[in-house]
Formats: sequence, structure tokens, C-alpha cells
Amino acid sequence: RKEVEQDPGPFNVPEGATVAFNCTYSNSASQSFFWYRQDCRKEPKLLMSVYSSGNEDGRFTAQLNRASQYISLLIRDSKLSDSATYLCVVPISSGSARQLTFGSGTQLTVLP
Amino acid sequence: ETGVTQSPTHLIKTRGQQVTLRCSSQSGHNTVSWYQQALGQGPQFIFQYYREEENGRGNFPPRFSGLQFPNYSSELNVNALELDDSALYLCASSQGLQETQYFGPGTRLLVL
Repeated sequence: RKEVEQDPGPFNVPEGATVAFNCTYSNSASQSFFWYRQDCRKEPKLLMSVYSSGNEDGRFTAQLNRASQYISLLIRDSKLSDSATYLCVVPISSGSARQLTFGSGTQLTVLP
Repeated sequence: ETGVTQSPTHLIKTRGQQVTLRCSSQSGHNTVSWYQQALGQGPQFIFQYYREEENGRGNFPPRFSGLQFPNYSSELNVNALELDDSALYLCASSQGLQETQYFGPGTRLLVL
């Protein structure tokens, strides 16, 4: 089983739609989680951090279910500019090192 | 922008050659992590450097090596290049081992 698994996508949605991405992780010791956004041929950029049950930032809501080892990202009122790949990220500590473990990403295209 | 810079932006090499990629961390950041992102995949952790010492390593062979300098900039060296080394190489800097990582724009390496 992969350490971080995401919906394979791609998701093609009309402007204004609500879309949700799911992610499961295998390391039950993980305490924090992230969603990164990656535009085509660009670097990943931090979108949201999730430390407790969830986090909300404008149109974006991230939820965490520790019992099921499941994280979700909800985007409301989708904009064309939301088109990107969304990466679910679980930091894993090995000694003092902290490595980010990424899912394969879910591609979102918002259509006019 | 994150303030993390990488050079070169693009590189073409042939099998068996050696390559050096460079990363300048954001001001005030003492930790640099390197990731490899193959096409269609999420980034994979190569290693992390903290105060000029390797502080953690992912599942990459010894021909992947690195350095961190007193100004916290870093190099990734890859010897005996293979076709599968073709990828986007990302570095990320952070203020400490457990802090948020900010990515540079990456170096695209093509091995022919």
C-alpha cells in the first residue's frame, strides 16, 4: 500500500461547481497534513495545513479523519484559476529529519 | 515568490554523465530538502541537509549525493546518469527541521 493515496482524477468541473478530493495515508503516527497546489510545469505551493479536525480558508475546506486516516479537500464555487494539480502531503519524521511524502496528485480542470 | 532559487532551469545530459544542480535557500532558512518528481507523479524525497550535514535520506542510491554550504545553499549531484533520472528536481528550504518547506522552481533534467 502506498503511504499516501489520492483520487486518480482527472476532475473536469464547470465554473461555480463544488469539488472534493480525497486522500488516505498509512502512517497513523502522522500529526500534520498539507494540501499543496501545483500548476503545470511549476513548483508545488502550500495551499492549506491541517493540524486538527479541519481547516477552512475562504472557498477551501480541508478535513481530517484520524480514525479512518483520511483527509479531504473541498473547493466551493470553483474558479478557472483553480485549475491545477492538488497534492496531498503527509510529513513523516525519521529521526530529526522531516520528509514530505506526496500523493500522486489529482488534476482539476475548471471549465468555463 | 518563495525566495528559493535553483539553477539551471533546464538541462540535457546523456546516460553515464554526471550532473550538479544548485539551490539557494530563502534568507534565514537553514534546512534544504531535495525531491525528484517524475512525470505524472508526486515529488519523492531524496535527502535533507541541516547545518551542512545530511539529516535524512529517502530511497535513492548512493550515486545521488549532496552538499550544503555555510550559507545554507545546497547542491545535488547525480553520477552515472540513467534514463529514469529524467525528472523535475525540486529543492525546498525551511527555517528548521520541522518547519514549513518552501519550494524553488525546480530544474528539469532530461537524460538521453
